[in-house]
Amino acid sequence: DTEVTQTPKHLVMGMTNKKSLKCEQHMGHRAMYWYKQKAKKPPELMFVYSYEKLSINESVPSRFSPECPNSSLLNLHLHALQPEDSALYLCASSPGPWVGGYTFGSGTRLTVV
Amino acid sequence: AQKVTQAQTEISVVEKEDVTLDCVYETRDTTYYLFWYKQPPSGELVFLIRRNSFDEQNEISGRYSWNFQKSTSSFNFTITASQVVDSAVYFCALTRLTGTASKLTFGTGTRLQVTL
Repeated sequence: DTEVTQTPKHLVMGMTNKKSLKCEQHMGHRAMYWYKQKAKKPPELMFVYSYEKLSINESVPSRFSPECPNSSLLNLHLHALQPEDSALYLCASSPGPWVGGYTFGSGTRLTVV
Repeated sequence: AQKVTQAQTEISVVEKEDVTLDCVYETRDTTYYLFWYKQPPSGELVFLIRRNSFDEQNEISGRYSWNFQKSTSSFNFTITASQVVDSAVYFCALTRLTGTASKLTFGTGTRLQVTL
């Protein structure tokens, strides 16, 4: 299995909703990442998990809450989002935190209404 | 600070033309990785190549080739005999190795449109 699987593919949520994005990989990778990509912009790093511990938080607002329950799974919990948070959320993994070779999922397209 | 510059915002070519996508980077690190990714309209980022800072050998993979020149901090990507399926946004990216993890910094991307 050489894939990173993200669910759901599309999500529409209200500003008062709570939802979660899920990311899964079975390649034995020990680093996992969340990126946010606005339309016509490059992906921007949000969080890095290394060996299931949060290594990097790029000053992301607390309405985004990451969680890494095990080495294969990465969640992004969403609460009280704003319309400007609408974007494509991409998950990625790599063999280790210091080794390049990132595999990206196909993303969750989030719309906040 | 790290920076990746892709000066070409959009390129349009006719099928079978060759096209070169430029990438210039800035980093103070001596060890780093450079990448090219393709993002078709469906949204996923497709890995094309990784090159580490100590390997300046150029690479060819089918119709794709890459020219890494450390002296000019450039990592350019050429598609030979372009095809309609090559239409996508192409990102050049640079990895920075921090104390605890690596961070991938993307350029702004070049949108390639290949027409018949």
